[in-house]
Amino acid sequence: EIVLTQSPGNMSLSPGGGATLSCRASQNVNNNYLAWFQQKPGQAPRLLIYDASTRAPGIPDRFSGSGSGTDFTLTISRLEPDDIAVYFCQAYGTLYRTFGQGTTVELK
Amino acid sequence: EVQLVESGGGLAQPGGSLRLSCAASGFTFGAYTMNWARQAPGKGLEWISFITPSGDHAEYTDSVKGRFTISRDNAKSSLYLHMNGLGDEDTAIYFCAKGHSFDSWLTDFWGQGTLVTVSS
Repeated sequence: EIVLTQSPGNMSLSPGGGATLSCRASQNVNNNYLAWFQQKPGQAPRLLIYDASTRAPGIPDRFSGSGSGTDFTLTISRLEPDDIAVYFCQAYGTLYRTFGQGTTVELK
Repeated sequence: EVQLVESGGGLAQPGGSLRLSCAASGFTFGAYTMNWARQAPGKGLEWISFITPSGDHAEYTDSVKGRFTISRDNAKSSLYLHMNGLGDEDTAIYFCAKGHSFDSWLTDFWGQGTLVTVSS
């Protein structure tokens, strides 16, 4: 069973600034099948990034994903109030569909 | 526009049953894998079940195996989750999620969810 650990748990950032969210896997994520989801309060999760670095349709280029193997990163640039949300990573594949525990992004 | 609308949630007694439904529109339902996931109050996301486009293969997370059954009716563009033997730990918002392709484990669109509360 793969375990995904996200850090930090919470971030309080200034509008216009940048955020770097980490997702570390307990074992290699095959084919870099790693996705990032954004969930705003009271809403469904929305797919941002898949295959570690491919933006989903309609996702602004302020969101970017990187990494491989066991270490993955979601970078958000030029933070906007609309980015306030919890961000989850997920490894998906034949043997696992595990989510990380989430990183909460707040604006100062 | 893709839409997924879940229904069937509510209050259930411990040991009881519920059937959740998910009405899909805006895409060729029968061409995609489908999933159920859940989120306990104030907690993270948990994938619970997956079904192939034809419905011939399904998978479950260990905590619901033998209690939950996923099914689909492609003619009605509908996904279902039959839940038996409900316990307190099953209290959560249940989301229906569309697969990215006919054979993908990735989910690319989620419904708004339906709340299941298990309590006596």
